Amino acid sequence: GEDVEQSLFLSVREGDSSVINCTYTDSSSTYLYWYKQEPGAGLQLLTYIFSNMDMKQDQRLTVLLNKKDKHLSLRIADTQTGDSAIYFCVSKRNTGKLIFGQGTTLQVKP
Amino acid sequence: EAGVAQSPRYKIIEKRQSVAFWCNPISGHATLYWYQQILGQGPKLLIQFQNNGVVDDSQLPKDRFSAERLKGVDSTLKIQPAKLEDSAVYLCASSQGNTGELFFGEGSRLTVL
Repeated sequence: GEDVEQSLFLSVREGDSSVINCTYTDSSSTYLYWYKQEPGAGLQLLTYIFSNMDMKQDQRLTVLLNKKDKHLSLRIADTQTGDSAIYFCVSKRNTGKLIFGQGTTLQVKP
Repeated sequence: EAGVAQSPRYKIIEKRQSVAFWCNPISGHATLYWYQQILGQGPKLLIQFQNNGVVDDSQLPKDRFSAERLKGVDSTLKIQPAKLEDSAVYLCASSQGNTGELFFGEGSRLTVL
């Protein structure tokens, strides 16, 4: 199958860490991405990880990949109100096709 | 560098009418995508072009949707006739290179009444 599954909603307090989880079914996925969509705006690439890596850190963002369990997570440290958005987990198959999850809405309370 | 341009931003039509959306990708990007994003869902690929050739249109409802990219630059997506379930945001994206990073436009929001 081509499913990418995410929880739909996450609410955190400003300054806390946020962890958004994703599972995917296609073991041939070559890259996994996190895209961010702010209200009324297009999607923007946040970060990505190669399938042969298990962790990538980029400033406040940490991506963890468990290839055995087909589980991807995005951790945002010191979450700010500007991080409020919808976060999409995306899998790239070896054919090049991108499969999007349904998105996790992150709400950051002041 | 200019981003992906799309127009119109908003369109309201009645069912059975037709509508066309336009996209101008980032200069030099060979690959162009049209996605449909229904409210509360992730984007779903409708069609992917590589230059002016179609790479994947397996999920395009070809009885009513058509798309072209005649000169390998800008592209048009048409819906004729529209149905209520076509109400969605139509996103255009372009890419260049192997990492798969897509650059998205702001989208065209279609409401079918």
